[in-house]
Amino acid sequence: GAVVSQHPSWVICKSGTSVKIECRSLDFQATTMFWYRQFPKQSLMLMATSNEGSKATYEQGVEKDKFLINHASLTLSTLTVTSAHPEDSSFYICSASQGQDYGYTFGSGTRLTVV
Amino acid sequence: SQQGEEDPQALSIQEGENATMNCSYKTSINNLQWYRQNSGRGLVHLILIRSNEREKHSGRLRVTLDTSKKSSSLLITASRAADTASYFCALGGATNKLIFGTGTLLAVQP
Repeated sequence: GAVVSQHPSWVICKSGTSVKIECRSLDFQATTMFWYRQFPKQSLMLMATSNEGSKATYEQGVEKDKFLINHASLTLSTLTVTSAHPEDSSFYICSASQGQDYGYTFGSGTRLTVV
Repeated sequence: SQQGEEDPQALSIQEGENATMNCSYKTSINNLQWYRQNSGRGLVHLILIRSNEREKHSGRLRVTLDTSKKSSSLLITASRAADTASYFCALGGATNKLIFGTGTLLAVQP
């Protein structure tokens, strides 16, 4: 089945630094990937749609300069949290789909802690 | 809000019992999907039901969809302790985005 690999699974960084999270589709090509954010005991909130070869589409209220998304190939999307602050601490998850009639495959998530 | 609303928020049952969780939404959809998430982990796709379908089965899972009432239900039969997890409905629309419901936390007691 389709596999999406997300790395790292957890990261601790200092305030003011930047963190890059990678999302790879291992056995299929994904022209579109999605990035979500999840706070403890809450649902997933869609942050942005990552489009291969073009700019990401951000959801309302998500700062595009803070959450930089790059989708340089059909198998890799990256999310960079720039100038991280403690309030950016969260669980970030990516997903990709092989088509609209299929379910989405999710990465295992990245737990970011900013200290 | 375009988010799906799930109820109950939390459900505790004994092994062997059935678990039913419901999802209501307000927008039009192409499909509705159910996912499972173990604590602190990624999501696992369980089942997808298209807007022109009314019921779908997969193993111990049964999903219904009523587009006139804009609601769906997920039934897990003969539950096991290993079914303990959070369950989310997710709305698939024309834009290819997936919008998640609020989730139901299921605890199955052995």
